Amino acid sequence: AQTVTQSQPEMSVQEAETVTLSCTYDTSENNYYLFWYKQPPSRQMILVIRQEAYKQQNATENRFSVNFQKAAKSFSLKISDSQLGDTAMYFCAFISNFGNEKLTFGTGTRLTIIP
Amino acid sequence: ETGVTQTPRHLVMGMTNKKSLKCEQHLGHNAMYWYKQSAKKPLELMFVYNFKEQTENNSVPSRFSPECPNSSHLFLHLHTLQPEDSALYLCASSQVSRGTGYTFGSGTRLTVV
Repeated sequence: AQTVTQSQPEMSVQEAETVTLSCTYDTSENNYYLFWYKQPPSRQMILVIRQEAYKQQNATENRFSVNFQKAAKSFSLKISDSQLGDTAMYFCAFISNFGNEKLTFGTGTRLTIIP
Repeated sequence: ETGVTQTPRHLVMGMTNKKSLKCEQHLGHNAMYWYKQSAKKPLELMFVYNFKEQTENNSVPSRFSPECPNSSHLFLHLHTLQPEDSALYLCASSQVSRGTGYTFGSGTRLTVV
């Protein structure tokens, strides 16, 4: 069974600073996808960034980037130039077993951006 | 309208009531999901519908009954719930085998009194 671990329940950072959220996962699969989702107080889960395991290049989306270390099974999210709107719960998630895919989530990190 | 729409947004029900949660996706996806999100607990996958067929039922009590009449609509029928069933219920959809992840609705905040 796959597991996803987020070891930081809460983090806070000053506006405009850079913050890194950590995530590790466990799987025996070789082909899978990793995701970071954001859940603001509005409750809707929003996809932030996606990484394909067979791609060595780290994914980036504007101020969001990942550090994907496949051998270490690590998938951290870096938020640069943090903004007040980045305040949210952040969930790391994992999918494999395509055809009957189930998204497995970590327990989340509550990120607060301080003005 | 695009995305995944859930109704109602909030629901308060007594333990003897019967109610239904509705989810509709406008993305042409072929799989839909119900998740339960409780405070201080990981997200719990409840049901998976893949091409309208239920492929997963994670030991969910029978007081929760899903229904998927077509690939765009998903319901969660509720009856004789317990206070511990109070939670945020999230619906999601995906295109299977694309690895694109799920698209979520805004959830229904359920309170059982």
